[in-house]
Amino acid sequence: DVKVTQSSRYLVKRTGEKVFLECVQDMDHENMFWYRQDPGLGLRLIYFSYDVKMKEKGDIPEGYSVSREKKERFSLILESASTNQTSMYLCASSGAEGSREKLFFGSGTQLSVL
Amino acid sequence: SQQGEEDPQALSIQEGENATMNCSYKTSINNLQWYRQNSGRGLVHLILIRSNEREKHSGRLRVTLDTSKKSSSLLITASRAADTASYFCATDGPSSNTGKLIFGQGTTLQVKP
Repeated sequence: DVKVTQSSRYLVKRTGEKVFLECVQDMDHENMFWYRQDPGLGLRLIYFSYDVKMKEKGDIPEGYSVSREKKERFSLILESASTNQTSMYLCASSGAEGSREKLFFGSGTQLSVL
Repeated sequence: SQQGEEDPQALSIQEGENATMNCSYKTSINNLQWYRQNSGRGLVHLILIRSNEREKHSGRLRVTLDTSKKSSSLLITASRAADTASYFCATDGPSSNTGKLIFGQGTTLQVKP
């Protein structure tokens, strides 16, 4: 069964902290994505990566960075967390043989920044 | 930038009734997808329709695509309480080689038993 695993289901951090959100997929997918989801705003793309060590900015990259050192792992980094980064963060991957466009999502990380 | 916009934002129906959700988008696409999200969880892919297709079926789901109107609809027939969830359309836009999708804001469906 395909799987995208996000390291934390719930996370509480303080303003100014450096925060790491980890995502691992076991499907050998080339593409990986980080979205944030807020009520009334839907899903917005933060960053994506189509290969190891490659990254592209999405629609709202400010305040975030990413790292993809290995194909299966894509990390989202909040350099200095702020209260407006309180949100649900969703990781996804794609690139499955025969269904390259389909995204597989993790269960999400609800981040609260106090 | 929001590519897809969904209508209605919320829908409440009785079990057994049909549910129809609509999605409009702005740019040309190669395909349009529908996803489902149970409360507080990740999204699950339901169905993909390509730009050269007009209708597609999967079990109780029926998706239509009208590229001239830049719109799609998702019909769930004979709804069940377990269909209660949020439903999102997603489009790939004109450049799809990276697999990047743009999501609509979603329709929240409540199916009452």
